[in-house]
Amino acid sequence: KQEVTQIPAALSVPEGENLVLNCSFTDSAIYNLQWFRQDPGKGLTSLLLIQSSQREQTSGRLNASLDKSSGRSTLYIAASQPGDSATYLCAVGQGGSEKLVFGKGTKLTVNP
Amino acid sequence: KAGVTQTPRYLIKTRGQQVTLSCSPISGHRSVSWYQQTPGQGLQFLFEYFSETQRNKGNFPGRFSGRQFSNSRSEMNVSTLELGDSALYLCASSRDRGPGYTFGSGTRLTVV
Repeated sequence: KQEVTQIPAALSVPEGENLVLNCSFTDSAIYNLQWFRQDPGKGLTSLLLIQSSQREQTSGRLNASLDKSSGRSTLYIAASQPGDSATYLCAVGQGGSEKLVFGKGTKLTVNP
Repeated sequence: KAGVTQTPRYLIKTRGQQVTLSCSPISGHRSVSWYQQTPGQGLQFLFEYFSETQRNKGNFPGRFSGRQFSNSRSEMNVSTLELGDSALYLCASSRDRGPGYTFGSGTRLTVV
């Protein structure tokens, strides 16, 4: 059974800092890995999608990496801004299934 | 390009009642998945439909059911509501495996 863990559960940083969010998964037979952002009471916004054959994806100030063999992914946020404050969720797409398995998320607060 | 549309946004129901939630996927997307999000359990997979067929089902009781229509719109139904069914219900659509998922804003269900 796939389990996804995100550490830390919460993170508070000053504006301008570069930061890394971590995601680990127990079963390396994944189809893809997706990072989402969720603002309070809202739905999920897709940030980056990494296919199992890829090592990383970049979008603006965001960079996500994937290491299937070690069961890890990281989301790097450069030059953080108060608008980046949200909960960041990592989700693994299982091979042979449409089911996404989510971590519990990291709640990020960027202080002005 | 319209996103994933979920209706209604908010619902308040009484224990024992039933409820139907609706999800309209992005045009051209044939896969629709449903997730339940609660503070304690996080995001949990309910079921996934593709071309009107249920392809995957999560570990939820039979009170939770769904269907997909020929235009890919999907509905989920919860019968005999319990207090523990209070949650944010999220719908996600995709063309098929691989491209990643786009989520709607969710339906906030409160059972009193």
